[in-house]
Amino acid sequence: DAGITQSPRHKVTETGTPVTLRCHQTENHRYMYWYRQDPGHGLRLIHYSYGVKDTDKGEVSDGYSVSRSKTEDFLLTLESATSSQTSVYFCAIRATGTGELFFGEGSRLTVL
Amino acid sequence: EDKVVQSPLSLVVHEGDTVTLNCSYEVTNFRSLLWYKQEKKAPTFLFMLTSSGIEKKSGRLSSILDKKELFSILNITATQTGDSAVYLCAVEAQGRADGLTFGKGTHLIIQP
Repeated sequence: DAGITQSPRHKVTETGTPVTLRCHQTENHRYMYWYRQDPGHGLRLIHYSYGVKDTDKGEVSDGYSVSRSKTEDFLLTLESATSSQTSVYFCAIRATGTGELFFGEGSRLTVL
Repeated sequence: EDKVVQSPLSLVVHEGDTVTLNCSYEVTNFRSLLWYKQEKKAPTFLFMLTSSGIEKKSGRLSSILDKKELFSILNITATQTGDSAVYLCAVEAQGRADGLTFGKGTHLIIQP
């Protein structure tokens, strides 16, 4: 299994509160990604990183920010959670020169 | 904008049947097409198809890529209940760091 862990795995929060999801890898891969998965929409890219402090927006980035201060950690922050951000969030990593993504186990977020 | 369309979105068959899942795509500067299997948690990698590898086979699963017609199929023969899952198709573009674009998936249910 790829060395990638997400935390927390489950979280219930209230509208308006900040939330941070953490993705940690032990593979030293350059590329890291945050996707969300919703019924009827599949996996959609939120943000991605191509190195320490190098990040960019994906398809559904509104309401989310990310940070990558170390190679191994990629944080996804919801500054003020909304019910539309209730979803399952997957982190993924990719080695340079390959197309295959390896996924974490997912973080289920419920915003009440 | 890259686009991946999978069909059917859901499929119910009996154990022992053969199924064919479809994936059509539009992507600028195509590099590869990938198939993943998702069983209630993280997607797991099945196949990668590129210009130099347009047909892959692993046990009862096989996949082909038609770069001219821009589609791929995933075949599963002699289906088993353990094949029940969501099958995801994704495409990768050359020279981009933003990972994969996914289709919405095909939800396959194998009845005993």
